[in-house]
Amino acid sequence: DSGVTQTPKHLITATGQRVTLRCSPRSGDLSVYWYQQSLDQGLQFLIHYYNGEERAKGNILERFSAQQFPDLHSELNLSSLELGDSALYFCASSVMDRRGWMNTEAFFGQGTRLTVV
Amino acid sequence: AQTVTQSQPEMSVQEAETVTLSCTYDTSESNYYLFWYKQPPSRQMILVIRQEAYKQQNATENRFSVNFQKAAKSFSLKISDSQLGDTAMYFCAFMKQGDYKLSFGAGTTVTVRA
Repeated sequence: DSGVTQTPKHLITATGQRVTLRCSPRSGDLSVYWYQQSLDQGLQFLIHYYNGEERAKGNILERFSAQQFPDLHSELNLSSLELGDSALYFCASSVMDRRGWMNTEAFFGQGTRLTVV
Repeated sequence: AQTVTQSQPEMSVQEAETVTLSCTYDTSESNYYLFWYKQPPSRQMILVIRQEAYKQQNATENRFSVNFQKAAKSFSLKISDSQLGDTAMYFCAFMKQGDYKLSFGAGTTVTVRA
């Protein structure tokens, strides 16, 4: 158990709908990352939050958004869903030292399997 | 942008034997980290081993070791005394120092045969 909790584990929804994926990082971790794993694009970085602030964006579609709340949990919102959004969505967390460098080990949750039908 | 290439989509190994997974990467950075992650059927991404680019000594973690060739931009993983529980997909990943995001290769599926 990595200590990172993602809910729900599975989600089936229709095209055009909106869903919210939730992530609770390990206790004490201020950084949260979202990754998408799909058959055609592999594992891709989506977005990074640190202590409530967005730090970096990767290949995240405009239909997707994320936020990190004061209690450090994070949500990934996916809207106007398309069949191609079907994927495994991972959240990961890590600590960051005072210099702002991440302790390089990221701990991953078990992922949310999203199926768009 | 950094690219990570894993040229072996699948590998099979007999229990107790050794298997080596290859990974190459492309970067102009001098300070970075390299990782191998394991993804078993449970889907959990588990860190197997990591290597800091500034360290010449190859990292080892029990039965797992790497061969890091910085000049060649190569980072292979050796699994010794393979066990059935090693059956998983293995991902090589790169992270630039101070960047925080991981860039992953396409993965290699390893099957350990009894």
